[in-house]
Amino acid sequence: GDSVTQMEGPVTLSEEAFLTINCTYTATGYPSLFWYVQYPGEGLQLLLKATKADDKGSNKGFEATYRKETTSFHLEKGSVQVSDSAVYFCALSGFNQGGKLIFGQGTELSVKP
Amino acid sequence: DTEVTQTPKHLVMGMTNKKSLKCEQHMGHRAMYWYKQKAKKPPELMFVYSYEKLSINESVPSRFSPECPNSSLLNLHLHALQPEDSALYLCASSQDNRAGFDSPLHFGNGTRLTVT
Repeated sequence: GDSVTQMEGPVTLSEEAFLTINCTYTATGYPSLFWYVQYPGEGLQLLLKATKADDKGSNKGFEATYRKETTSFHLEKGSVQVSDSAVYFCALSGFNQGGKLIFGQGTELSVKP
Repeated sequence: DTEVTQTPKHLVMGMTNKKSLKCEQHMGHRAMYWYKQKAKKPPELMFVYSYEKLSINESVPSRFSPECPNSSLLNLHLHALQPEDSALYLCASSQDNRAGFDSPLHFGNGTRLTVT
């Protein structure tokens, strides 16, 4: 079945450091790919998405590119802030799956001043 | 502010109680979801409603009973829960979940449930 694998956390960075969180997937067909972020005590917020190969999703300085050849959707940000501390989930949604999201295990990011 | 509103924010209930979780959205979305999330884990899908009809039940125990009274409201009725059911219960909605739609999910902030 479809699955998503994320790099394990927690990840601790200093403010203004470069961030990469790796995400790879296994799916039949051409899924849509998402990054969600969960701040402490809150629900999940959509950070960015990509619906086809070579699409780049971007939001709030975060970027991820849908790479079909490597089945990857790595999240990057050039300069992290303390306010980016949260748990990040990579997810996919397959065609005709009723909107069902398959989540990775989540990566906890802690940014220190 | 989230556009999906969940009440209550916190709920403590005994194993013999009956309670309900409520979810509301006014974005005109036609698909609504219940997820369960344990600490430091990804959300797990429980139920999906599409155009007010139950379309997915992920083999959830019958002590959880969903209800979709109209396109804006989603309830989760709880009865005879177990301590292991303690978790964050998240509601979500999307514009449409039929084949060919790539509508992202919008999540509420959840109800933190403790079963004693």
